Amino acid sequence: GAGVSQSPSNKVTEKGKDVELRCDPISGHTALYWYRQSLGQGLEFLIYFQGNSAPDKSGLPSDRFSAERTGGSVSTLTIQRTQQEDSAVYLCASSSGQLNTGELFFGEGSRLTVL
Amino acid sequence: AQKVTQAQTEISVVEKEDVTLDCVYETRDTTYYLFWYKQPPSGELVFLIRRNSFDEQNEISGRYSWNFQKSTSSFNFTITASQVVDSAVYVCALSGNSGGYQKVTFGIGTKLQVIP
Repeated sequence: GAGVSQSPSNKVTEKGKDVELRCDPISGHTALYWYRQSLGQGLEFLIYFQGNSAPDKSGLPSDRFSAERTGGSVSTLTIQRTQQEDSAVYLCASSSGQLNTGELFFGEGSRLTVL
Repeated sequence: AQKVTQAQTEISVVEKEDVTLDCVYETRDTTYYLFWYKQPPSGELVFLIRRNSFDEQNEISGRYSWNFQKSTSSFNFTITASQVVDSAVYVCALSGNSGGYQKVTFGIGTKLQVIP
């Protein structure tokens, strides 16, 4: 597609349920990032992929969070046993390579509400 | 550790006024890049500018201008003759060579409201 696509755009779930958020990056972009944006907070780095591997998972808040990327393209962020504090907008971004020569292209985000 | 501070959480200006959005950063990296992104109500962040730490020349693009001062660790953004379409959240960001430039630290953003 022309831009980074994320789905669902909105997700309401009950506490304790698992959720999957999907990101479809710009075709050909090797780097993919997940960020979380909570109300009144800046973007919080979660994980970064280069191809299918994740050199930096340091931002994942707990072991309930996991992410994978397959075929160097689509990525899925999974949150198990959701908690109310997981409520946020989850943003995905992709780039063609090093950020010293490129930029991040963001999707519109997936808004997660945990009741 | 890297840090980006945007002390102004919300600013309101009347259309045609000039407005400056402040950004102060902290990093121990010797080489780094600074960015500004615009986040309209739709939520999608849009890249505005990237600046290399070695290049302190100010940049102007239409009504937008950026002032990078390494001595004060600031990278401020000025909109001249603001318009209603400028209303958005503006986010300053930093990436450094210690993280291979891949780990970007974002500020919390400044919400700009331009009143007609």
